[in-house]
Amino acid sequence: DAGVTQSPTHLIKTRGQQVTLRCSPKSGHDTVSWYQQALGQGPQFIFQYYEEEERQRGNFPDRFSGHQFPNYSSELNVNALLLGDSALYLCASSLTRGLRSGNTIYFGEGSWLTVV
Amino acid sequence: AQTVTQSQPEMSVQEAETVTLSCTYDTSESDYYLFWYKQPPSRQMILVIRQEAYKQQNATENRFSVNFQKAAKSFSLKISDSQLGDAAMYFCAYRSGGADGLTFGKGTHLIIQP
Repeated sequence: DAGVTQSPTHLIKTRGQQVTLRCSPKSGHDTVSWYQQALGQGPQFIFQYYEEEERQRGNFPDRFSGHQFPNYSSELNVNALLLGDSALYLCASSLTRGLRSGNTIYFGEGSWLTVV
Repeated sequence: AQTVTQSQPEMSVQEAETVTLSCTYDTSESDYYLFWYKQPPSRQMILVIRQEAYKQQNATENRFSVNFQKAAKSFSLKISDSQLGDAAMYFCAYRSGGADGLTFGKGTHLIIQP
């Protein structure tokens, strides 16, 4: 059973560029969340997708956007990259069946983004 | 907004001994969940243990147990019989019962001395 998979593993972008990160949830999971983890910090919640819609959003600007596809996979897009966007981006999936849930959240290994 | 505080940036313990990692949180909600995640150098977050706020009994998973003090808003993790493989960053996390976004603390770096 494949867990949460993310791509690419590492990438380097130039300030002002745009980046797309991809995530495939654990088999059977229908909900995907994205987190940003800066060096030496805990992850910060960006947003969550369920039924192809953004359901909850953390304190991140509109430069951060996402999408969920019918097969539950997801993309995170970041526009107009800033040096401060350099971080590990973690994707997490869960089986939600609605927004109230205590279901376990599983994480991928992340995508390292360096902005230069 | 909820906050999670881990006051120990780093902890060190001898192999086979017991260590306790501290976590406090702030919330006005009554329905929530608490978690401890382990992040080894591979960077993948691995769930160690979870606690539902409505349950009075402390959660236990093999060598890992929690001390959940709801009134004090404290959620500490005890690791018994520490093993070299336990070395990692440990994050305490909070999730509201009505939403699935996790709020993490800054983490505690656990070092296991052989």
